[in-house]
Amino acid sequence: GAVVSQHPSWVICKSGTSVKIECRSLDFQATTMFWYRQFPKQSLMLMATSNEGSKATYEQGVEKDKFLINHASLTLSTLTVTSAHPEDSSFYICSARDPEGATNEKLFFGSGTQLSVL
Amino acid sequence: AQTVTQSQPEMSVQEAETVTLSCTYDTSENNYYLFWYKQPPSRQMILVIRQEAYKQQNATENRFSVNFQKAAKSFSLKISDSQLGDTAMYFCAFMFTGNQFYFGTGTSLTVIP
Repeated sequence: GAVVSQHPSWVICKSGTSVKIECRSLDFQATTMFWYRQFPKQSLMLMATSNEGSKATYEQGVEKDKFLINHASLTLSTLTVTSAHPEDSSFYICSARDPEGATNEKLFFGSGTQLSVL
Repeated sequence: AQTVTQSQPEMSVQEAETVTLSCTYDTSENNYYLFWYKQPPSRQMILVIRQEAYKQQNATENRFSVNFQKAAKSFSLKISDSQLGDTAMYFCAFMFTGNQFYFGTGTSLTVIP
């Protein structure tokens, strides 16, 4: 089945620094990827939809200048948390659909990134 | 707007017994997909089962089956012969063609040995 790789799996940073999270589709081309945020024992909250070659679509309440998304190729989307603060500490998950797959309505998830901002 | 509701925040079941997790949704769409995802302590999201709304037959995957009631907009998950490895958060999710996923709030399931 389709594989989505997310890196790093965890990161600790100082307040005020920027952190980049990568999401790669390893065996398919993902024109669209999704970025979620998950707080402990809560559901996945969609932050933005990442479109290859165009600007990301952000959900209401998500600061696009804080969470920069770049989808420069069909297999890579990146989320950069700029000037991170402790309240940005969370679990971030990316996902993608394989548009050419037999079950293209399925979402394939990365393994997630735990961000801790000190 | 699409909404997905899971009314059971926590559930427990004895090993080898059967448990049913509830999910209801609200949509005006006619063609859509419903899913149950499992998130174990590793936090990797794992697809458990998928149901196409145009299919009347309930989906089954080994010990996992669903009871899909389209008119009632209900989509429950039944886990038979529960195993310790089934302990996880379970999320019901909804998607209509070409659009994003909507997740429920989740049910934390604990299988008791």
